[in-house]
Amino acid sequence: KQEVTQIPAALSVPEGENLVLNCSFTDSAIYNLQWFRQDPGKGLTSLLLIQSSQREQTSGRLNASLDKSSGRSTLYIAASQPGDSATYLCAVRTGTASKLTFGTGTRLQVTL
Amino acid sequence: NAGVTQTPKFQVLKTGQSMTLQCAQDMNHEYMSWYRQDPGMGLRLIHYSVGAGITDQGEVPNGYNVSRSTTEDFPLRLLSAAPSQTSVYFCASSYFRDGTSRRGYTFGSGTRLTVV
Repeated sequence: KQEVTQIPAALSVPEGENLVLNCSFTDSAIYNLQWFRQDPGKGLTSLLLIQSSQREQTSGRLNASLDKSSGRSTLYIAASQPGDSATYLCAVRTGTASKLTFGTGTRLQVTL
Repeated sequence: NAGVTQTPKFQVLKTGQSMTLQCAQDMNHEYMSWYRQDPGMGLRLIHYSVGAGITDQGEVPNGYNVSRSTTEDFPLRLLSAAPSQTSVYFCASSYFRDGTSRRGYTFGSGTRLTVV
C-alpha cells in the first residue's frame, strides 16, 4: 500500500525567504507526482505535475523535483510572499487503477 | 470554463437521511473519483471510476454508493447519513492514461457536509 509523508507538518517563515517542502512515498512504482495548494475552506489547485520519467518541473517561483528511486520529492518556493500562505499537498499516482494517494500536507505561513 | 463542477457547496443532513452529491466534468476525462477530507486524516479515496459503467471501491467506501452512466457525471450517494460522514467531499477527474496528458488531476471546489 502506497503511503505518502510530508515534512514538516507546519512551517512559518518571514517574507522573502526561500523554502523547501518535502514529500516521501513508499512505493517507487509511480506514474507521476502532483503538488497542490489548498487555501482554508477552498478546493485544491494544481501547482506542478512531474511525470515518473522527469526529474523536475518549474513554474514561476516554484520548482518541484522528483527522485523516484529514493521515493522523494521536494517543492522549492523562491522569495516567499504572504500570498503563498496555504497548505501544500503532495500526491502520487500509482497502481493498475492509477489512483492518487495524498500526504497530509504542510501548512505554510509567510509573515511580513 | 472547463473543469469539475460539484453541487451543492454546503449541505446539512439529519442522521438517517439520504442525499446525492453531484459531480460533472466537461473535459472528457475517463477517470473520476471521490475523496473525503477530514482534519488530521488528509484526503482519502471513497470510490473511483475508470470509465462509464465501471466503478470500484477506494479506501473508505462504506456508507457510500456511486454509479457512472455517462463519461461526464459521477454522483455520490449517501444512503443513510451518519455523523461520521461529516466531512468535506471532493470530486476529481483526469485522463486515465495520464502519461500523455501531462495535466494530472483536476479537482472540484468541494461540498461541505454536516450530519447532525
